[in-house]
Amino acid sequence: SQKIEQNSEALNIQEGKTATLTCNYTNYSPAYLQWYRQDPGRGPVFLLLIRENEKEKRKERLKVTFDTTLKQSLFHITASQPADSATYLCVLYNQGGKLIFGQGTELSVKP
Amino acid sequence: NAGVTQTPKFQVLKTGQSMTLQCAQDMNHEYMSWYRQDPGMGLRLIHYSVGAGITDQGEVPNGYNVSRSTTEDFPLRLLSAAPSQTSVYFCASSKTGTDYEQYFGPGTRLTVT
Repeated sequence: SQKIEQNSEALNIQEGKTATLTCNYTNYSPAYLQWYRQDPGRGPVFLLLIRENEKEKRKERLKVTFDTTLKQSLFHITASQPADSATYLCVLYNQGGKLIFGQGTELSVKP
Repeated sequence: NAGVTQTPKFQVLKTGQSMTLQCAQDMNHEYMSWYRQDPGMGLRLIHYSVGAGITDQGEVPNGYNVSRSTTEDFPLRLLSAAPSQTSVYFCASSKTGTDYEQYFGPGTRLTVT
């Protein structure tokens, strides 16, 4: 069956360190993948999109990688700050044109 | 731009009641969609629309109706509320469809007792 999995445990890191969040998927061949940030009580906010023919994408302190062989995307936040604390959602675009959302990973950055 | 707006922010219904969740966007986006978010699960698509007058079902459409009479508005109707519909509902819009970034509203937290 098709499945998308993100780190189920919350990720706790120290301010200034690099946070790495994982998104694994099975039985999909996504054309691209998106990452969103969601704060408590609010809707998700788009961060980055990476296509299947792109290995890596960067935006300021954010970096996303996409390995279609491993069926995995990694989301990195460098020089993390307490303001980066939120839940991060991995979203696949499957061949049927639908978006499939992961359950999200909660990131907590301690000062 | 207000972006995507949703009303109400909170709602409590009794089983069997009906109501409409409102969603509007002022970005002239063609694609609009409704999701529900339950604890420990990813957002699940309820219904979507690729333009005024066109709607289609998503992954979990049962118990919900939608219509799209204008580009701006995409209301979600609960026909006869059930406790299983207790959830947080998000409306989203995008320029062309799922191949583009989605703009989400702030959500409606619905409790059905």
